[in-house]
Amino acid sequence: QQQVKQSPQSLIVQKGGISIINCAYENTAFDYFPWYQQFPGKGPALLIAIRPDVSEKKEGRFTISFNKSAKQFSLHIMDSQPGDSATYFCAASWRGTYKYIFGTGTRLKVLA
Amino acid sequence: GAVVSQHPSRVICKSGTSVKIECRSLDFQATTMFWYRQFPKQSLMLMATSNEGSKATYEQGVEKDKFLINHASLTLSTLTVTSAHPEDSSFYICSAKTGVDQPQHFGDGTRLSIL
Repeated sequence: QQQVKQSPQSLIVQKGGISIINCAYENTAFDYFPWYQQFPGKGPALLIAIRPDVSEKKEGRFTISFNKSAKQFSLHIMDSQPGDSATYFCAASWRGTYKYIFGTGTRLKVLA
Repeated sequence: GAVVSQHPSRVICKSGTSVKIECRSLDFQATTMFWYRQFPKQSLMLMATSNEGSKATYEQGVEKDKFLINHASLTLSTLTVTSAHPEDSSFYICSAKTGVDQPQHFGDGTRLSIL
């Protein structure tokens, strides 16, 4: 029940295309859902985050869509660029613990 | 803002030695810091939660005597891998929160290689 399932494991997208990464969870106590981007040899960097009272949040080319009833959330990268090639992790957290449960990661490659 | 610095970025040492990794919040005070371990092409595995001035809380299966964590100030937490062996080789990453309902900000990790 503490798991966050992430898919796909890897993704190849043409430059200018839309990259979509999905995550699903079981624990309805989760109330914070961040997405992180990690380049090789570096720590994860926060991209965007959402709380369950909002169905969508957009920051630049990055959008989170949140479906509370389905217990799913997804990251959309619009106009994907080769510089977006990285590993993306979704995570979930719940009030009071501060801990994250991370998804398994998606390796994105954007072709030039 | 919210910069977390981790040092060293890479360390290579002989089996049996102890290695200390530092995690600093540069522009904020972090009451809570986290230590993760990441294997190649895998997700981040939480090892322990570090609270300033108190003992760290370790996740199940993490040896507290093996991985010593000290959070002596609001800007510094350290992880010491004691009597390191080749199986301890990994990428260790720390993170810190700026506040109770704030996201975690990560350092750039430490690549530990035990020969």
